[in-house]
Amino acid sequence: GIQVEQSPPDLILQEGANSTLRCNFSDSVNNLQWFHQNPWGQLINLFYIPSGTKQNGRLSATTVATERYSLLYISSSQTTDSGVYFCAVERGPRGSTLGRLYFGRGTQLTVWP
Amino acid sequence: GAGVSQSPRYKVAKRGQDVALRCDPISGHVSLFWYQQALGQGPEFLTYFQNEAQLDKSGLPSDRFFAERPEGSVSTLKIQRTQQEDSAVYLCASSFRSEQYFGPGTRLTVT
Repeated sequence: GIQVEQSPPDLILQEGANSTLRCNFSDSVNNLQWFHQNPWGQLINLFYIPSGTKQNGRLSATTVATERYSLLYISSSQTTDSGVYFCAVERGPRGSTLGRLYFGRGTQLTVWP
Repeated sequence: GAGVSQSPRYKVAKRGQDVALRCDPISGHVSLFWYQQALGQGPEFLTYFQNEAQLDKSGLPSDRFFAERPEGSVSTLKIQRTQQEDSAVYLCASSFRSEQYFGPGTRLTVT
């Protein structure tokens, strides 16, 4: 299977700080998703970003597929940003049955007031 | 509701019992996935349905695990003769094209 590595594993910030989370993957992929897992365990979709850059409020993401990495930027962090951030990739030709996601181990983010 | 729902949210089973976990995908989503998440880990793939057809079950850890989606909508993941190592959160996801949306999960504890 494909290997997905996330860094850093843990991140502690004070409210208002900015941060960058990284996701490296070992092979070419069709799609990439970023998720936030809140303290209740719900995986919340942040970005669906196989390539390029997207922004949503204080969050933005960039995927450079040719170099096999993606970055998630969080600006002006808030306590509600706390939780685990997962990167997940999908490989296989479009329209194939290979839709499974391969997840990294996540980055545990803690934001203090 | 508009999202993926799962029931029960919590399940405690004694070792050796059978359990059934239910997933209601987003209406109209053709693809349905089951994942298992151990404590401190990312979710791991179990199985995949496209409509009622189970196209990939390579992630099921043993023949005690069985999944079905008979009418192409609701899916059930069944675990027979539960073992302690089955304790985990079981997540269901559905998708229409490629982006997957997850349910809240079922936390299974085997005592």
